[in-house]
Amino acid sequence: DQQVKQNSPSLSVQEGRISILNCDYTNSMFDYFLWYKKYPAEGPTFLISISSIKDKNEDGRFTVFLNKSAKHLSLHIVPSQPGDSAVYFCAARRSQGNLIFGKGTKLSVKP
Amino acid sequence: EAGVAQSPRYKIIEKRQSVAFWCNPISGHATLYWYQQILGQGPKLLIQFQNNGVVDDSQLPKDRFSAERLKGVDSTLKIQPAKLEDSAVYLCASSLVGVRTDTQYFGPGTRLTVL
Repeated sequence: DQQVKQNSPSLSVQEGRISILNCDYTNSMFDYFLWYKKYPAEGPTFLISISSIKDKNEDGRFTVFLNKSAKHLSLHIVPSQPGDSAVYFCAARRSQGNLIFGKGTKLSVKP
Repeated sequence: EAGVAQSPRYKIIEKRQSVAFWCNPISGHATLYWYQQILGQGPKLLIQFQNNGVVDDSQLPKDRFSAERLKGVDSTLKIQPAKLEDSAVYLCASSLVGVRTDTQYFGPGTRLTVL
């Protein structure tokens, strides 16, 4: 039973264009969401987060949008750069503080 | 600031053997997590410690997996005996206090292959 779903295993975009990564969740009790980025042979690194009391959080080229009624969040990267090529994980934080992750989306940014 | 350290980075064993992984969290971080990441999946929590006490081990297969965090700093995760399906990357993470807005910092992981 997947509580956090990333339905697109991969995404390919051109350098300079927008990358949009999507994530859906099923548990309405989740109140904090995060995006992590993972390069091969490294651990995930924190990218950006959003509390459920907000609908948008921006940090430089990265923006996360939250639609609570649809139980959907998305990560926008503008403009995309080749160094952004990685696997992106969406995660929801449980009350104990640990995370439930989606399966990840592999982003490839072509020069 | 040093990150989360894990060793070994890679381990290959045969099924039914035992294996142990070690994690040293970021200095001062009270909360430590072990996650299992199977190929093509996202990380899944195995156990969460707050100092040296267990907060959540509901997804730890306790018949074969064990973990400890002596003195509230380093931690070891053990598998005994290993099964083929235990092949995965084992990630250790730490955070300052473990509250919702805490950032979890991950180590590089230990890639386990069970033959």
